[in-house]
Amino acid sequence: RKEVEQDPGPFNVPEGATVAFNCTYSNSASQSFFWYRQDCRKEPKLLMSVYSSGNEDGRFTAQLNRASQYISLLIRDSKLSDSATYLCAVPNAGNMLTFGGGTRLMVKP
Amino acid sequence: DTGVSQDPRHKITKRGQNVTFRCDPISEHNRLYWYRQTLGQGPEFLTYFQNEAQLEKSRLLSDRFSAERPKGSFSTLEIQRTEQGDSAMYLCASSPSNYGYTFGSGTRLTVV
Repeated sequence: RKEVEQDPGPFNVPEGATVAFNCTYSNSASQSFFWYRQDCRKEPKLLMSVYSSGNEDGRFTAQLNRASQYISLLIRDSKLSDSATYLCAVPNAGNMLTFGGGTRLMVKP
Repeated sequence: DTGVSQDPRHKITKRGQNVTFRCDPISEHNRLYWYRQTLGQGPEFLTYFQNEAQLEKSRLLSDRFSAERPKGSFSTLEIQRTEQGDSAMYLCASSPSNYGYTFGSGTRLTVV
């Protein structure tokens, strides 16, 4: 089992839709988690950090399920500009991040 | 610009040549990371510095790869005798401590 796994997608959704991605992780001792957004041929940019049960920032909500070892990212009222790849990342004790393969989101008009 | 800076942005090299990339982290960040990303994959960890000390190296970092951070500021990543499989985006990131990283724009390497 990979340390961090994501459904690669693509998720094709219409504007205004709500979409959710999951990310499973194997290390039950992990305490913090990150969601990054990556546009095509650009660097990943930090979207949200999750240190407890969840986090919310505007249209974006991240939730943590420790029992099942997954984190989710919910995007409400999708915009065309949300089209990107979303990467989840889990740090080890030395803060080295292990990334999932990313989930590609395409928001259509 | 106070972000993470990487140079060059693109590099095309012939197989067998050596290449060197530079990363300038955010000045107050003591941690610096190198990652490699190929198309359709997430970034893979290569190596990590805390100040000038290289504290961790991935098994992905073969003996053809070497990284330095001589004064605890900028870092270089050198690949000797490049192979076609080295073609990837090389990403540098920095962080102040146990927080999410800030990535640079990356160096895209193409080995022909």
